[in-house]
Amino acid sequence: DAGVTQSPTHLIKTRGQHVTLRCSPISGHKSVSWYQQVLGQGPQFIFQYYEKEERGRGNFPDRFSARQFPNYSSELNVNALLLGDSALYLCASSPSRVSTDTQYFGPGTRLTVL
Amino acid sequence: GEDVEQSLFLSVREGDSSVINCTYTDSSSTYLYWYKQEPGAGLQLLTYIFSNMDMKQDQRLTVLLNKKDKHLSLRIADTQTGDSAIYFCAEGAYNTDKLIFGTGTRLQVFP
Repeated sequence: DAGVTQSPTHLIKTRGQHVTLRCSPISGHKSVSWYQQVLGQGPQFIFQYYEKEERGRGNFPDRFSARQFPNYSSELNVNALLLGDSALYLCASSPSRVSTDTQYFGPGTRLTVL
Repeated sequence: GEDVEQSLFLSVREGDSSVINCTYTDSSSTYLYWYKQEPGAGLQLLTYIFSNMDMKQDQRLTVLLNKKDKHLSLRIADTQTGDSAIYFCAEGAYNTDKLIFGTGTRLQVFP
C-alpha cells in the first residue's frame, strides 16, 4: 500500500514568489495535517483539514493557506515567500480527526527560498 | 502553555541502552508520542502512550511516563547503529490531530 506522498520533493523559489505543495493521504484517510520543520527544530503545526474543512490552525501568518479536495488530497499554499519560509514541509494523514497510533507522515517537501 | 523540551544530543556505544528524555508542560495532553527521523526523511511513528499509563513496552522500546513531573522517556535496549537518528517526542490532545513536537534529540551510536 502506498504511504503518504508529497510533491515536489525539492523546490527552490525566490523571495516574493508563491508556492503550492501537494499531499496525497493514505487511501481511506480523511484527515490531513501540515507541519513546517525548520532546520534543527521540531515540526510546527500549520493546518489540519478533515472532510474538506479546516479543523485546526497553528500560529502562522495569513500568507499560509491550504485546502482539501473531495478525494482528500491537500494543497498548502504560501504567498509572498520570505527567506524564513525555507524549511521541510511535512504532511500527515490519519483516518479521522481523533488519532492515536495511526498518524502517518510523508517524506516532506524541502523548500528553499533565495 | 505548549512547550516540549528535549536534550539535543546523546551518544551511546552499540549494544548499550539509550535513554532519551522529554519534558512537556500541557497537562491536558492525552497522548504522548515518540517519532524517529532519519536524515532527509519524514517522521516515523515509533510508539505512543496514553496519559493514564505509566509504562509501555514494545520490543526494544520502553516508554515511561511521570505525569506528576510531566516527564517522558524512551529507552532503547541493545542500541544498534541503525538506531542513529533524531528522536522527537510529541504531545497531542484527544480531539485533534495537532501535535506539539519537542526540539529533537540526535542519537549517535558508535561501534
